[in-house]
Amino acid sequence: RKEVEQDPGPFNVPEGATVAFNCTYSNSASQSFFWYRQDCRKEPKLLMSVYSSGNEDGRFTAQLNRASQYISLLIRDSKLSDSATYLCVVNEYGNKLVFGAGTILRVKS
Amino acid sequence: EAGVTQSPTHLIKTRGQQATLRCSPISGHTSVYWYQQALGLGLQFLLWYDEGEERNRGNFPPRFSGRQFPNYSSELNVNALELEDSALYLCASSLSSSYNSPLHFGNGTRLTVT
Repeated sequence: RKEVEQDPGPFNVPEGATVAFNCTYSNSASQSFFWYRQDCRKEPKLLMSVYSSGNEDGRFTAQLNRASQYISLLIRDSKLSDSATYLCVVNEYGNKLVFGAGTILRVKS
Repeated sequence: EAGVTQSPTHLIKTRGQQATLRCSPISGHTSVYWYQQALGLGLQFLLWYDEGEERNRGNFPPRFSGRQFPNYSSELNVNALELEDSALYLCASSLSSSYNSPLHFGNGTRLTVT
């Protein structure tokens, strides 16, 4: 079983749509969680950290369910500029940050 | 503020040779991480350095090694290069070794082994 699993997509959505990505992780001792965004041929960039209580940053909402070892990212009112690969990242013991393979989002006009 | 810088941008080597990749973290960042991203695959954790020491290592053979210098810059060495080592190598830095300190990535070094 992969340490961090994501649906690879692609998710093709129209502008203005709401889209949700899911991610599961295998190590129950994992300490922290993040969503990163990677544009084509670019380096990954931090989108947001994920907290147990859930957190929101503008149009983006992240949720964590430690019992189910499940992380989600919700994007509301999708923009063309949201098109990218979204990487679920889990910090296992010893600062080993494990990246999921990514979920591709394509927002179309 | 300057970001994470990596050099060279591209590196072409032949099988069996050695490659050296360099990384300068963001000023004030003490932790440096190395990742491999092969074509079509996700990022694979290679190494984590903090305060000059190797703190953790991914599932890579010993021919992947590195070090961190007193100024916190870092070097990744890959010995006895194999064709499957061809990949984008990304360096990242973080402000501290805290488990919730996010990573800031450089643009990467694209290594091609022929």
